[in-house]
Amino acid sequence: NAGVTQTPKFQVLKTGQSMTLQCAQDMNHNSMYWYRQDPGMGLRLIYYSASEGTTDKGEVPNGYNVSRLNKREFSLRLESAAPSQTSVYFCASIPGQTHNSPLHFGNGTRLTVT
Amino acid sequence: SQQGEEDPQALSIQEGENATMNCSYKTSINNLQWYRQNSGRGLVHLILIRSNEREKHSGRLRVTLDTSKKSSSLLITASRAADTASYFCATAVISGGYNKLIFGAGTRLAVHP
Repeated sequence: NAGVTQTPKFQVLKTGQSMTLQCAQDMNHNSMYWYRQDPGMGLRLIYYSASEGTTDKGEVPNGYNVSRLNKREFSLRLESAAPSQTSVYFCASIPGQTHNSPLHFGNGTRLTVT
Repeated sequence: SQQGEEDPQALSIQEGENATMNCSYKTSINNLQWYRQNSGRGLVHLILIRSNEREKHSGRLRVTLDTSKKSSSLLITASRAADTASYFCATAVISGGYNKLIFGAGTRLAVHP
């Protein structure tokens, strides 16, 4: 099993460009999450999906959109990238819909917006 | 301020020594989780301790939870250079009607050979 797979690993964008970060899990998990990690701030939740067909905002959703394409895939889209979105983005999943079991993380996408 | 705050922010020790990291939080929790992150990689789960548990062990790791003090500690015994990483605590809470997992800013551990 690959677990949680994120693509791309690295990306450089110019201000105003758009892109989609892809995430797929092969563990048949119900819930999927997108976090961003900035120096000294821990992980902050952007959006999550508790089940196929549902998405909800997290702590820092502005400037992002998500799509839960099917049970396996959860994508994060930046419509018009800004330098403040320079960060490392992590996708994660859990089997159920509560945090009674630990998150499984992908290896991240390092995004730089110039 | 954050729900989970680790202390210290950075820790530097020699191989063979023990490393202790602390996590404090503010609100009631369902459980508390510890994760490790090697440079350039995703977080890896270490231990989950539920609110009605006081101590858990996994190999060289020992986690304690004191809900009266709203604090937890992660002890790594007989540390190795391979333990060099950042360690994060995360608290599982119910807020605004949904379950949240809130991460602290982490402790950077450096173990020197």
